[in-house]
Amino acid sequence: QKEVEQDPGPLSVPEGAIVSLNCTYSNSAFQYFMWYRQYSRKGPELLMYTYSSGNKEDGRFTAQVDKSSKYISLFIRDSQPSDSATYLCAIKNQAGTALIFGKGTTLSVSS
Amino acid sequence: GAVVSQHPSWVICKSGTSVKIECRSLDFQATTMFWYRQFPKQSLMLMATSNEGSKATYEQGVEKDKFLINHASLTLSTLTVTSAHPEDSSFYICSARMSGRGNQPQHFGDGTRLSIL
Repeated sequence: QKEVEQDPGPLSVPEGAIVSLNCTYSNSAFQYFMWYRQYSRKGPELLMYTYSSGNKEDGRFTAQVDKSSKYISLFIRDSQPSDSATYLCAIKNQAGTALIFGKGTTLSVSS
Repeated sequence: GAVVSQHPSWVICKSGTSVKIECRSLDFQATTMFWYRQFPKQSLMLMATSNEGSKATYEQGVEKDKFLINHASLTLSTLTVTSAHPEDSSFYICSARMSGRGNQPQHFGDGTRLSIL
């Protein structure tokens, strides 16, 4: 079993839709959870960073962590064409320095 | 804040050439920087962890003599691809983490697209 599983999509939604992106992980030692957005031919951009179970909101983005289920989600409200990108989840444990990335989900928002 | 600059953004060169890529943290000090490689439609693969003033730690399967990493200051790390061949063509991305904050997230540069002819 891979350490982080993420459905690569692609995911296509109309403008204004609510988008749900998800990752599962296998090791309960992971305590830090991040979501990055990557546009084509660009580096990943940090969207959300959290280390506790529950929800964290930032504008149209909400990150949700369920440590008991080893499941993390990113919700995008009122999706816009500019949200079209690849979204990568990343996790890290307490002691480690390296991030473990999911494969990324490609999102396309049509106007 | 937390801006990471990577240069050059795109390189095309002949087989056998060595190519140096720079990664700079512009508005913070980074004790640790990371180098990744990304193939089309794939996720990021960690190549090595670079610590200021010490030797880099390479991931399994990454040739340290092929990919030379230098982290001489708290704001600059370089990756040199030595005697590059077409199979080294890829998207190379660096990231940096703020000094003194072990659990802060990594911030990424915009990557370098390397094409070896």
